[in-house]
Amino acid sequence: KNEVEQSPQNLTAQEGEFITINCSYSVGISALHWLQQHPGGGIVSLFMLSSGKKKHGRLIATINIQEKHSSLHITASHPRDSAVYICAVSVNNDMRFGAGTRLTVKP
Amino acid sequence: NAGVTQTPKFQVLKTGQSMTLQCAQDMNHEYMSWYRQDPGMGLRLIHYSVGAGITDQGEVPNGYNVSRSTTEDFPLRLLSAAPSQTSVYFCASSLFLGGINEQFFGPGTRLTVL
Repeated sequence: KNEVEQSPQNLTAQEGEFITINCSYSVGISALHWLQQHPGGGIVSLFMLSSGKKKHGRLIATINIQEKHSSLHITASHPRDSAVYICAVSVNNDMRFGAGTRLTVKP
Repeated sequence: NAGVTQTPKFQVLKTGQSMTLQCAQDMNHEYMSWYRQDPGMGLRLIHYSVGAGITDQGEVPNGYNVSRSTTEDFPLRLLSAAPSQTSVYFCASSLFLGGINEQFFGPGTRLTVL
């Protein structure tokens, strides 16, 4: 079983919809990261959090350390949000990655 | 700042050939790492370095070598390429060891081994 599980694997939404991507992990962590990978392949960091909630524009990330769970929310989704969203956790000297959630937002 | 740069972007090798994937960063980051990304799987750590002259193995190090002679550069060497090494390779850096710091990723190198 993967140490980092994401759901759903694939998600299709209509423009304007509220989107939630979930991440569960089974190891002790020092931080959790949400990354975005665009169709061109580049990976950018969206959030890094170890507790509570962070917001950046239309994106919100939350984490519940006790339940070992994090969510990434996108409000008022737009076709440009179409990408693969990756959850990763910091464990000792390295990071462990989920397999990613492929989001497609249709106009 | 150029950030993290990788060359080449694409490469095709024959089984048994060797090559070096280049990675450089201009942010004075101490921590650099190499990952491979395979379909349906998360990124997996190959090797990492916590500073010039210091490297260590990650989850999937077999068949790969690294060195870190300068803070800026962290090349990944494939010693004798195998089809199982067909993958997309990402180099990443962060200010210090571990994932408490924001990770910056290079654009990736798509490698095919025939």
